[in-house]
Amino acid sequence: QSALTQPASVSGSPGQSITISCTGTSSDVGGYNYVSWYQQHPGKAPKLMIYEVSNRPSGVSNRFSGSKSGNTASLTISGLQAEDEADYYCSSYTSSSVVVFGGGTKLTVL
Amino acid sequence: QVQLVQSGAEVKKPGSSVKVSCKASGGTFSSYAISWVRQAPGQGLEWMGGIIPIFGTANYAQKFQGRVTITTDESTSTAYMELSSLRSEDTAVYYCARARGGYCSGGSCYSFDYWGQGTLVTVSS
Repeated sequence: QSALTQPASVSGSPGQSITISCTGTSSDVGGYNYVSWYQQHPGKAPKLMIYEVSNRPSGVSNRFSGSKSGNTASLTISGLQAEDEADYYCSSYTSSSVVVFGGGTKLTVL
Repeated sequence: QVQLVQSGAEVKKPGSSVKVSCKASGGTFSSYAISWVRQAPGQGLEWMGGIIPIFGTANYAQKFQGRVTITTDESTSTAYMELSSLRSEDTAVYYCARARGGYCSGGSCYSFDYWGQGTLVTVSS
């Protein structure tokens, strides 16, 4: 199972919005509404930010939103803040009944 | 509050095995799927396998089939991940992670809302 494709890096200024893409196939992202997004700060465990494409767990800021179109899922962060600087990973359930992660995207807040 | 507490760092020789534990507290253990995810230095996340304690059957990523064994001990609310035939490429931080919902099925077993603190496994001769 190949990893999902994410851009290696994205950047934005405080207050701006950014979007991170996550591209898979019809056997994973396109075939199921089980896409999750995780935020990971250096040296820390990942934190669930979005599950089932667009749902936010309790306690996650509504500045974070998720969507999906075809084989590509997206995470949008609005009103960018310094604390959002981190690595972001998408994941998707697959037709092999396992989960696959994206390669990760480093978000830099300028 | 749910907590997953993992065992400490390990240094292993190539060809040996390692067993990492993950003790859960603050919630119902048996009905929540537990997965193991690893992260090599400077690299991304990689799912290794998972198990639902109450059912006892694990499933594994194809890459690790035959080399990884995931088990649970319901009496102590602890999950274990054993990786054999270690090589240098297995040097990584290993995390346990709990599925968001209990009695999950299919894709709902793979959103992880609680994570252990991570266990560094170093494989070196």
